[in-house]
Amino acid sequence: DQQVKQNSPSLSVQEGRISILNCDYTNSMFDYFLWYKKYPAEGPTFLISISSIKDKNEDGRFTVFLNKSAKHLSLHIVPSQPGDSAVYFCAASAVRGAQKLVFGQGTRLTINP
Amino acid sequence: KAGVTQTPRYLIKTRGQQVTLSCSPISGHRSVSWYQQTPGQGLQFLFEYFSETQRNKGNFPGRFSGRQFSNSRSEMNVSTLELGDSALYLCASSLGQTMNTEAFFGQGTRLTVV
Repeated sequence: DQQVKQNSPSLSVQEGRISILNCDYTNSMFDYFLWYKKYPAEGPTFLISISSIKDKNEDGRFTVFLNKSAKHLSLHIVPSQPGDSAVYFCAASAVRGAQKLVFGQGTRLTINP
Repeated sequence: KAGVTQTPRYLIKTRGQQVTLSCSPISGHRSVSWYQQTPGQGLQFLFEYFSETQRNKGNFPGRFSGRQFSNSRSEMNVSTLELGDSALYLCASSLGQTMNTEAFFGQGTRLTVV
């Protein structure tokens, strides 16, 4: 029973264009969502988060959108840079004040020069 | 500010043995969580400790256990190792206050069971 799904295993984008990574969830109790970037053999690096009371959060080139009715969130990276090539995980939490993250399977993003 | 430190980085153990992994959180962080990453199952939550108490637990057998010390450092133990325990074990720390806060991960310990 996968509660957080990233349906695209991979995505290829031209440098300078927008990268859009998608994530769907099934558990309506999730109230906090995060995006992580991961390189091989390293731990995930936190990128951006959003609380369920918001529908958008922006940090530099990264913007996360949350659509609670559709149980869908997306990460936009504008403009995309070669250093953005990595695996991106979305994660969700349903336990306020505690860290029990449920992760998606990840999307491998490749930025082409 | 130092990040999350996990030791050792790599470990090879024989089936049936037991292993202990260590995690030092970011200074001031009181919550430490452990995750297992495998190619087939992805990143899965093992357990979380806050102020030396286990606050949450994932769906792993009792062979997986942990503890947290008064300085917030945490250890994870796996007994009677199985081949399927081969994975990257990640530790994450956070402030652990009532509002959700970001979890910051260490580099992980790569465990290989032979």
